[in-house]
Amino acid sequence: AAGVIQSPRHLIKEKRETATLKCYPIPRHDTVYWYQQGPGQDPQFLISFYEKMQSDKGSIPDRFSAQQFSDYHSELNMSSLELGDSALYFCASSFDRGRFYGYTFGSGTRLTVV
Amino acid sequence: SQQGEEDPQALSIQEGENATMNCSYKTSINNLQWYRQNSGRGLVHLILIRSNEREKHSGRLRVTLDTSKKSSSLLITASRAADTASYFCATDATSGSRLTFGEGTQLTVNP
Repeated sequence: AAGVIQSPRHLIKEKRETATLKCYPIPRHDTVYWYQQGPGQDPQFLISFYEKMQSDKGSIPDRFSAQQFSDYHSELNMSSLELGDSALYFCASSFDRGRFYGYTFGSGTRLTVV
Repeated sequence: SQQGEEDPQALSIQEGENATMNCSYKTSINNLQWYRQNSGRGLVHLILIRSNEREKHSGRLRVTLDTSKKSSSLLITASRAADTASYFCATDATSGSRLTFGEGTQLTVNP
């Protein structure tokens, strides 16, 4: 079965650069979520989209933005990168907002800012 | 974590033993979910228990939910070395559409 696809798997950027992370949710899933996980930390919610509309917003810096496109894939754009942005970034998708079957997570993008 | 805590933070057991992890949360929930994460890898959904359920089983996993105490437990029976991972509880609150994670329990199963 198809899973949530994230690209790239690894990304190295310098401070003040821009990064774009991509996520392809499971077909027919109606909600996409982005999470950030620092070393040894639990995943922190950034933002979510339900049927291509932003549905919830968490602790996402103003330097970050995200959108979901007509084909349901989503992109997380990160500008003016800081060393503290180094983390694993996960995308997840769910059907019916995950009320009955939970979320399916991608393998994540490991972002390293140097 | 903004939602709750997991207990213990780390657990080390021998293969064949049972492992119990506890989770507490703060808000009203639609459901509570448990996820597993191998080091640096993605989160894998293990089991979901709805707010009107008290116990659920899936293979060697048993989850309980006590909404009056806002707590849940995950029991892994007959543990295996391959069960070594971090285990997170996560709640889907009634007020929002996000999943909020606890701090996780690092389980080590020694062969």
